[in-house]
Amino acid sequence: EPEVTQTPSHQVTQMGQEVILRCVPISNHLYFYWYRQILGQKVEFLVSFYNNEISEKSEIFDDQFSVERPDGSNFTLKIRSTKLEDSAMYFCASSVDSSSYNEQFFGPGTRLTVL
Amino acid sequence: RKEVEQDPGPFNVPEGATVAFNCTYSNSASQSFFWYRQDCRKEPKLLMSVYSSGNEDGRFTAQLNRASQYISLLIRDSKLSDSATYLCAVKGDDMRFGAGTRLTVKP
Repeated sequence: EPEVTQTPSHQVTQMGQEVILRCVPISNHLYFYWYRQILGQKVEFLVSFYNNEISEKSEIFDDQFSVERPDGSNFTLKIRSTKLEDSAMYFCASSVDSSSYNEQFFGPGTRLTVL
Repeated sequence: RKEVEQDPGPFNVPEGATVAFNCTYSNSASQSFFWYRQDCRKEPKLLMSVYSSGNEDGRFTAQLNRASQYISLLIRDSKLSDSATYLCAVKGDDMRFGAGTRLTVKP
C-alpha cells in the first residue's frame, strides 16, 4: 500500500537555526499539506500546496515558514530561525485532489525539538 | 468559541460496551466532516467520513446534524484495540481538527 514518508523522524536543533523537514507524498497525489501538533494539543493546519504554489495557509504559517517542491517527489517545509515554541510533531499529508471527501493520507511525522 | 470542539474524555469503558463521542463546529460553511483515529505519538488515520444521511462501517456509526453543527461517532461492541484518541475534523477551505477524545477500552 502506498504511503507518505517523512524524514527525519526526529530533528533536534538550536534556537535560531533553520530546519528543513522532508516529505515524499504518494506518487499520484496532487495536493500536499503540512500540519503540526504540539505535544498534548490538537493537530493544526499549516499550509496546502497544489501545482507548485500555496493554495491555503493558516495564521500560523507566517514568514518564518516556507514550502517547496524541489523535484518531482519531495515536498519540504523550511522553518527559518526556529523558536522554542516551534517544538512539535510536523505531519505531511497528501491527497489525490481537494474534493470534499477526498482522503488526506498522513505521514508518520517528524518530531522537532528546539533547544 | 473554538472552531471544532470535543469532550477530551477520557472515556474508560469495558470491552463490549457502546460508546459515543460528540463534536461541534463553528463554521457553518464547512463542507465535509471526518473522524480520525490517532494512537499515541502516531499520525492521524482516517476512520470514516461523515455524510449528511449518516453512515455505518461495521461497528462504527457516524452522524451529522448540519442545523446544530454537530457530528457524532458511535462505537458498538468496543474492542481493546479501539483504545486511541478520536479526532473530529471539519473541512472548509482547510482542515480543522478538534483536540480529540481519548478512549481506553479495558478487559
